Amino acid sequence: NAGVTQTPKFQVLKTGQSMTLQCAQDMNHNSMYWYRQDPGMGLRLIYYSASEGTTDKGEVPNGYNVSRLNKREFSLRLESAAPSQTSVYFCASSHGSILAKNIQYFGAGTRLSVL
Amino acid sequence: EDKVVQSPLSLVVHEGDTVTLNCSYEVTNFRSLLWYKQEKKAPTFLFMLTSSGIEKKSGRLSSILDKKELFSILNITATQTGDSAVYLCAVINTSYGKLTFGQGTILTVHP
Repeated sequence: NAGVTQTPKFQVLKTGQSMTLQCAQDMNHNSMYWYRQDPGMGLRLIYYSASEGTTDKGEVPNGYNVSRLNKREFSLRLESAAPSQTSVYFCASSHGSILAKNIQYFGAGTRLSVL
Repeated sequence: EDKVVQSPLSLVVHEGDTVTLNCSYEVTNFRSLLWYKQEKKAPTFLFMLTSSGIEKKSGRLSSILDKKELFSILNITATQTGDSAVYLCAVINTSYGKLTFGQGTILTVHP
């Protein structure tokens, strides 16, 4: 029962470095999402993909890019990391097309520190 | 701008106490409200509420939605130390399920 798998679990970057966070789901979901979670601010949506081949900005997209590689995979890229991007990143997925099944299921998260 | 506000932000109780967590929202095109429990890692789904007045129950946890007054409550009775977690409220406001989250309520249950 893999569900939503994120890699890596932890990462430390220096300011200006780039990296890609990977996310894959095996539930045949149409929609996928990237969030960041900071203390006292809940989960904030960075980017989402309502269906394969589409991506859209969320609440806090600046400094990030995404790729919906196929139906299973949705990656998040930091081109030039900044200390303000230190956070815990969560990937999620949902059916996206049927209201009753629009529950989002989350990966275990990536803890990113930018020095 | 869509907004979801949870209260209290943190709560400390002893085992056996009953707690009520609050979630109010202001969103366009409301579809559903969800509650999640987050321990050390990923948020895990608890309830999805779509209609007013229908209580959802799962063991000691229950939740109800008031679409007229735009709020939901999550009740936990006879709390246990394993209930210690962050409880997140979120609202679906589009047809394909994009969520807007509240800040979360940190619940600590002492033995």
